[in-house]
Amino acid sequence: DGGITQSPKYLFRKEGQNVTLSCEQNLNHDAMYWYRQDPGQGLRLIYYSQIVNDFQKGDIAEGYSVSREKKESFPLTVTSAQKNPTAFYLCASSMQARGTGELFFGEGSRLTVL
Amino acid sequence: AQKITQTQPGMFVQEKEAVTLDCTYDTSDQSYGLFWYKQPSSGEMIFLIYQGSYDEQNATEGRYSLNFQKARKSANLVISASQLGDSAMYFCAMREGQDEIGSQGNLIFGKGTKLSVKP
Repeated sequence: DGGITQSPKYLFRKEGQNVTLSCEQNLNHDAMYWYRQDPGQGLRLIYYSQIVNDFQKGDIAEGYSVSREKKESFPLTVTSAQKNPTAFYLCASSMQARGTGELFFGEGSRLTVL
Repeated sequence: AQKITQTQPGMFVQEKEAVTLDCTYDTSDQSYGLFWYKQPSSGEMIFLIYQGSYDEQNATEGRYSLNFQKARKSANLVISASQLGDSAMYFCAMREGQDEIGSQGNLIFGKGTKLSVKP
């Protein structure tokens, strides 16, 4: 079935460690996004990519990095520079970066820093 | 200023009754899109309904309808005949510059409303 796969679903990290969250889609979508969700809050945009080998910072990019080497993949690295990384991370994709198309979301990755 | 405002942190509704979840938005763009998503406790975001700024009729999808009042910049979600499975967080979202080249394409989300359906 077509969709977006995020892994791992749960991740624990010690302070000072980098961690990479995987996001893979087989929907042939051009655009991909990473959002962060904190309890009681909406989703905030971390990074987005409209085409391969190109990506842009969102509203809260500090302490995060991404790559887009393949159309299907958009991994997110949470670096040790991210001061409060414990959160729920959602990856999404859409057919194109404009128009009426909705975002399709993965099931999310919950990161806890110990 | 917040672009998407959902003023109801939590709502209760009796099973089989209708409920309206409020959403107001703020944009200076002429072209934009409004979306509603449902997030069950599992965490996945489920797309419910879309309304374009130029659409003259309110969008409907099954039991979901969007009450779009452009002059008031409001896009309320109406769920008819509530079911126990409707208990979840509901998010209103907006895409600005809907038809413009260079649009980021991302959605701007409100903080959500937690809906609880009582049996």
